[in-house]
Amino acid sequence: GAGVSQTPSNKVTEKGKYVELRCDPISGHTALYWYRQSLGQGPEFLIYFQGTGAADDSGLPNDRFFAVRPEGSVSTLKIQRTERGDSAVYLCASSRTGTGEDTQYFGPGTRLTVL
Amino acid sequence: AQSVTQPDIHITVSEGASLELRCNYSYGATPYLFWYVQSPGQGLQLLLKYFSGDTLVQGIKGFEAEFKRSQSSFNLRKPSVHWSDAAEYFCAVVITGGGNKLTFGTGTQLKVEL
Repeated sequence: GAGVSQTPSNKVTEKGKYVELRCDPISGHTALYWYRQSLGQGPEFLIYFQGTGAADDSGLPNDRFFAVRPEGSVSTLKIQRTERGDSAVYLCASSRTGTGEDTQYFGPGTRLTVL
Repeated sequence: AQSVTQPDIHITVSEGASLELRCNYSYGATPYLFWYVQSPGQGLQLLLKYFSGDTLVQGIKGFEAEFKRSQSSFNLRKPSVHWSDAAEYFCAVVITGGGNKLTFGTGTQLKVEL
């Protein structure tokens, strides 16, 4: 079946602009995660949704970052007033139930470049 | 500080040679342990995972990993490397009782010489 998809694959924006990154999880997966991967680093957790609600947003770096999942499926990560330091690959993952043992399946990522 | 450490940033092996990638963790309790592989242009793919039981875990693509509690390690191994194994490998943990977010190491870039 279809895996996790993310759009766009690449996004170039200017400092100060607003961006939205979209994630389509695997159908039927109740848990959805966002991670951010900077160059030369491992992915870092941003936020986790169980259904429609954000169960853990402890990884969001500041209030410029916000994510929604209004119908419990597709999620959008929103970044306001982008800064050059936001440049990274943003990864989305989904899992069937959201337990710690559950496998997280990752999308290909969105590469965000802030000029 | 709690962390996941992959001491080797880059490793080069010849095709057909054996491989071991190191991973150490520093947490009070044994976390759930994972190895992921990331190839250029592709998403992270799970190779194997360990929660409990047999400390030698078999994964996909001929990989295995051994959990050693005394060393707080979860090293990834493969007896004979193929050129297609060239990729970046990440060790990750989920802290038991700490939610289900993955905490990743910084990765090991594997190069395979033909």
